[in-house]
Amino acid sequence: DIQMTQSPSSLSASVGDRVTITCRASQTIDTFLNWYQQKPGKAPKLLIYAASTLQSGVPSRFSGSGSGTDFALTISSLQPEDFGAYYCQQSYTMPVTFGQGTRLEIK
Amino acid sequence: EVQVVESGGGLVQPGGSLRLSCVASGFNFISYEMNWIRQAPGKGLEWVSYISSTATTIYYADSVKGRFTISRDNAKNSLYLQMNGLRAEDTAVYYCVREVTVTDNFDWWGQGTLVTVSS
Repeated sequence: DIQMTQSPSSLSASVGDRVTITCRASQTIDTFLNWYQQKPGKAPKLLIYAASTLQSGVPSRFSGSGSGTDFALTISSLQPEDFGAYYCQQSYTMPVTFGQGTRLEIK
Repeated sequence: EVQVVESGGGLVQPGGSLRLSCVASGFNFISYEMNWIRQAPGKGLEWVSYISSTATTIYYADSVKGRFTISRDNAKNSLYLQMNGLRAEDTAVYYCVREVTVTDNFDWWGQGTLVTVSS
């Protein structure tokens, strides 16, 4: 199975900060990489697919980059509603696998 | 409006069985692949099972293979997960999730149903 490793596991940042979460795959996955946001008690929500394509309705402050094994999710200017957990997920091969998650706290 | 609504969760003893259901609306169910994804309390996301639009292709995570069975009834816009031989480690919120084939992502999630395996 392809292992997905996110860093950091948690972070605290202030409104207006630029925040980057990274995700590394244990083998190359081209750009078959998706990002999800999950608020407490809610289902995950798709933010970015194919490494860099913004899902419809997602604010443009979110962006994704990378290919191969190394990927990043960037929030250009952190907003109060961006708190929660973020997960990367590879869709290159079965079984699909998720990163362990990054918990983002707003200072 | 797209909706997927799960039901069937609850408390079950180790070794017991449970059948989860998911009813979809607001989209052409027969055109979509579907998945079950679970999340243990306070933990991350774990993919459980996949079924193609016409049920000709099915996959399972190794952790549930031989114990869980995924199925669908396109006439009823419904997805199912039959869970047998339940273990404590199966305790989780189970999400019914729509998959977009072209872009290989999970674009719509239900609210989840909690399965608790405990004596």
